[in-house]
Amino acid sequence: QQQVKQSPQSLIVQKGGISIINCAYENTAFDYFPWYQQFPGKGPALLIAIRPDVSEKKEGRFTISFNKSAKQFSLHIMDSQPGDSATYFCAAAHSSGNTGKLIFGQGTTLQVKP
Amino acid sequence: DAGVTQSPTHLIKTRGQQVTLRCSPISGHKSVSWYQQVLGQGPQFIFQYYEKEERGRGNFPDRFSARQFPNYSSELNVNALLLGDSALYLCASSKGQGNPIYGYTFGSGTRLTVV
Repeated sequence: QQQVKQSPQSLIVQKGGISIINCAYENTAFDYFPWYQQFPGKGPALLIAIRPDVSEKKEGRFTISFNKSAKQFSLHIMDSQPGDSATYFCAAAHSSGNTGKLIFGQGTTLQVKP
Repeated sequence: DAGVTQSPTHLIKTRGQQVTLRCSPISGHKSVSWYQQVLGQGPQFIFQYYEKEERGRGNFPDRFSARQFPNYSSELNVNALLLGDSALYLCASSKGQGNPIYGYTFGSGTRLTVV
């Protein structure tokens, strides 16, 4: 059962443009929503995360927007650079549990053209 | 400090064989989680261990097992390999008891190919 749906599957953006990746979740018990960045041959690396008590979180060029009522959240990459070309995964988890279980989306492959 | 170390990096096995994958967490991290990442998909949770005890198990068959040692390193064992077990196996370590809000650090994974 897919609990986190991510779109688009792939994205091509020009250098300097804005990259937007969207995710939707089903389980209202989720209350921790991280984004991971993965380069070929590497494991995912935590990029930025948000809790549902805020609607937006910004770290440098990366911003998460969160809509609790719609059960959706998105990643915005401002001023996209060729070095941002990677696969991005949204995820969701219960912050109160200690099971270590992150539910990942299917991933979005981002290509930033120079 | 060294990151999460996984070995081997690549592995080719034949259907029906058994495989053991190893993971050393970041120094000071006591929790280890295992994920399976099939090509083109997001990682799927297999197990989480803390202080040598299993704290969580994903929807995987009993052919998958794991354990954690007193030094907090961990092994993932898969028996009776199937072609569908071909994937990147990721290990993640974290502080505390493994609550994801404290952040997971993933290793680079072991690429398992079953032929």
